Amino acid sequence: SQTIHQWPATLVQPVGSPLSLECTVEGTSNPNLYWYRQAAGRGLQLLFYSVGIGQISSEVPQNLSASRPQDRQFILSSKKLLLSDSGFYLCAWSSGQNTGELFFGEGSRLTVL
Amino acid sequence: AQSVTQLGSHVSVSEGALVLLRCNYSSSVPPYLFWYVQYPNQGLQLLLKYTTGATLVKGINGFEAEFKKSETSFHLTKPSAHMSDAAEYFCAVRGIYNQGGKLIFGQGTELSVKP
Repeated sequence: SQTIHQWPATLVQPVGSPLSLECTVEGTSNPNLYWYRQAAGRGLQLLFYSVGIGQISSEVPQNLSASRPQDRQFILSSKKLLLSDSGFYLCAWSSGQNTGELFFGEGSRLTVL
Repeated sequence: AQSVTQLGSHVSVSEGALVLLRCNYSSSVPPYLFWYVQYPNQGLQLLLKYTTGATLVKGINGFEAEFKKSETSFHLTKPSAHMSDAAEYFCAVRGIYNQGGKLIFGQGTELSVKP
C-alpha cells in the first residue's frame, strides 16, 4: 500500500532562518506531488506541484521554493523565513489520473517567531 | 479556472440531527468534485468524490453528496450526526482538463456536534 511521510511534524524557527520540510511517498512510482499551506482560519492554498523529477510549478509568488530531487521526494525550502510563513504545511500525492484524489501527509506545523 | 465557495465557516448541530454542509463551485469545464475531512493537527482524509455517472455519491462514515449541475452545488449531508463527526470539512474541485491534477479547495467549514 502507499504511504506518505512528512517531517518534521512541528518546527519553531526565528525570522530570517532557513527552512527545509521533507516529504516522501512509498509504494508508488511517478506520483504527482503537491505542497499546500493552511493558515489559521483559512482554507488550503496550493503552493507548488510537480509532475516529475525536476519539474516544479509554482502557484503563487512567495518566499518559498520547492524541489523534487528524486521521484518520490518533495522538499519545501526557504532561505530566510518571514513571520507570514507560519502555518500548517501539507504534502500530498496523486496517481496523476484526473479522476484521482489527493492523498495527504500528516502535516508540518511551522511557527516563525 | 475553478473556484469553490463553502457557505458557513462554522456549523453547529446536535447529536442525531441532520448534517448539511454547503458547497458551490465555479468551473468553466465539467468538474470533478471532492469532500475531505480534517481532524485537528492532522492531514486531510477523503470522504467522497464525484467524477462521472451517478450524481448522488456515497462516502465513508455515512456521508453522501449530490452533484447538481444546474445549481453548481455539491452539498454534503449525513442523516444523523455523531460526536465523532466534529472536524473541519473541505470541498474541492478539479476541472476535467486540469494539468497537474491540482485540487482547488474551499475555505472549509468547521462542524461542531453538541451532545
